[in-house]
Amino acid sequence: DAKTTQPTSMDCAEGRAANLPCNHSTISGNEYVYWYRQIHSQGPQYIIHGLKNNETNEMASLIITEDRKSSTLILPHATLRDTAVYYCIAMNPFNQGGKLIFGQGTELSVKP
Amino acid sequence: EAGVAQSPRYKIIEKRQSVAFWCNPISGHATLYWYQQILGQGPKLLIQFQNNGVVDDSQLPKDRFSAERLKGVDSTLKIQPAKLEDSAVYLCASSLYRTSGNEQFFGPGTRLTVL
Repeated sequence: DAKTTQPTSMDCAEGRAANLPCNHSTISGNEYVYWYRQIHSQGPQYIIHGLKNNETNEMASLIITEDRKSSTLILPHATLRDTAVYYCIAMNPFNQGGKLIFGQGTELSVKP
Repeated sequence: EAGVAQSPRYKIIEKRQSVAFWCNPISGHATLYWYQQILGQGPKLLIQFQNNGVVDDSQLPKDRFSAERLKGVDSTLKIQPAKLEDSAVYLCASSLYRTSGNEQFFGPGTRLTVL
């Protein structure tokens, strides 16, 4: 599975968009980009995933560059409840059911 | 829909004692995972089951850790004997294999402290 690189921490003002970058320059053609987040004292929570097209759901948007070497998770209107560690993972979900390899993630602090 | 259930939520034991954790996945989810999360780190996969068969246990310290998934539903993770470095949160997750990818749903975890 491809290694991902994320900033250690970021701050965002409440109500503003939070843009979390992720580099995955060695991603292979059959690997998807997955985003999970972990709020303090809870288990990780799935946010979104994509292969090459941009994706949007009720939680966030995922923008993947054309060369697939990087991506950005966008929380359009961050709230205090979005304060969490965000993990970007490159993974082939069809390889034995998928294996998530978590890195250190980005600690996002949403401030009033 | 009910989420992944785990028990106990907290456990404190002394080193060399044994401990067991229980997980009940989301109904119908064939794949079940156990992760270990040490403070300040991301979760690390210990073992993955597909129904009641083991798919991946390459990161499971088999000299002291064991896991089973009877009847392809509930699962138990056991540590015997525990070491100080086993202090961590043990997370259970389950997923439903789909053609569009299979997001994992995590339980709240069991926080183990080994003294």
